[in-house]
Amino acid sequence: KNEVEQSPQNLTAQEGEFITINCSYSVGISALHWLQQHPGGGIVSLFMLSSGKKKHGRLIATINIQEKHSSLHITASHPRDSAVYICAVRLVTGGGADGLTFGKGTHLIIQP
Amino acid sequence: DADVTQTPRNRITKTGKRIMLECSQTKGHDRMYWYRQDPGLGLRLIYYSFDVKDINKGEISDGYSVSRQAQAKFSLSLESAIPNQTALYFCATSDLDSPGELFFGEGSRLTVL
Repeated sequence: KNEVEQSPQNLTAQEGEFITINCSYSVGISALHWLQQHPGGGIVSLFMLSSGKKKHGRLIATINIQEKHSSLHITASHPRDSAVYICAVRLVTGGGADGLTFGKGTHLIIQP
Repeated sequence: DADVTQTPRNRITKTGKRIMLECSQTKGHDRMYWYRQDPGLGLRLIYYSFDVKDINKGEISDGYSVSRQAQAKFSLSLESAIPNQTALYFCATSDLDSPGELFFGEGSRLTVL
């Protein structure tokens, strides 16, 4: 079973482009996380949201609970945004002991 | 300095060897986790601990053991490493009062030959 689906799996874009990464899930959730993993491995939490929209700098995350869908947008993309972006959902029931189910990630490359 | 520190960052070992990955945190969080990441797969939970002496199995605990020696330290051991344990391992912490947000270490890349 794959309760969290991300698309696209891979995305290459030019510097300055508007980027959208999508996350769909199939069960009820209490929260959704967007994480960023840079080459070299470290993972950083970008957003945790349960409704609406959040913005931090050039990053915007939205969630539609009824449609079970979230998007991560990057405005004015830059090569330093190149990373793997991971969606994780906190299930209302089930899930791991931490309650989180992770997507497989979207590998983003921004070319100068 | 990083809030969550993992050592070693890279390790190459041979089949059958005992390996320990260590994690220490300065965030004062009660909850600590060990995850494994494989290419093409999402992060998977190996073990977690909500307090000192509290140890719980995650999704993929077979072949692994852990020790929570202190609030700040959580170690993952592979008693007899095998090649399919080659992966990137992450330690993470979260706060009891805000269990949703995870803070990750830099990762430990383990290769078992």
